[in-house]
Amino acid sequence: GAGVSQSPRYKVAKRGQDVALRCDPISGHVSLFWYQQALGQGPEFLTYFQNEAQLDKSGLPSDRFFAERPEGSVSTLKIQRTQQEDSAVYLCASSSDRGLKETQYFGPGTRLLVL
Amino acid sequence: DAKTTQPNSMESNEEEPVHLPCNHSTISGTDYIHWYRQLPSQGPEYVIHGLTSNVNNRMASLAIAEDRKSSTLILHRATLRDAAVYYCIPYSGGGADGLTFGKGTHLIIQP
Repeated sequence: GAGVSQSPRYKVAKRGQDVALRCDPISGHVSLFWYQQALGQGPEFLTYFQNEAQLDKSGLPSDRFFAERPEGSVSTLKIQRTQQEDSAVYLCASSSDRGLKETQYFGPGTRLLVL
Repeated sequence: DAKTTQPNSMESNEEEPVHLPCNHSTISGTDYIHWYRQLPSQGPEYVIHGLTSNVNNRMASLAIAEDRKSSTLILHRATLRDAAVYYCIPYSGGGADGLTFGKGTHLIIQP
């Protein structure tokens, strides 16, 4: 079946531009996560949705970062006034329940380069 | 979150077993031990998880110490496609719900 998809796969932005990154989770998955992965580092948690509710946004690095999932399926991560330090791979993951053993399924990521 | 310690890198030969260790001495009683791996230019991929007992699946085996302060991921017969960064992650699913990745172990497979 179809896995998690993300678009675009690559994005180059000039400093100060706004960008929007899209995530299509596995159909029917309740939970959706966004992560940021800097070069040579492990992914770091940004935010979590259960259906359309954003239950945790403690990992968002600044108020320039905003995420939404209005209908409980597709999610968009928006970064306003991009800075060079925002350059990273942004990963989306989804999972089917909130049990202790849940497995997260990751998309291929969007590689963002801010010049 | 429980802190984990993994070797930065390990090297093995193709078709030989690989044992990837992880120390998680501060793990809580409700945390499962999850392992994910990340192949080059891809998102992380679930490998295996367990709580107390050793676990096997088609990808790997997970050996968990009796005191749960360490675990070992075992790849029984490594192939070139197993070259990846392997992450050991104690995870309860509660609280922030996000996985806490460390730096992981970069596994290099020699042909």
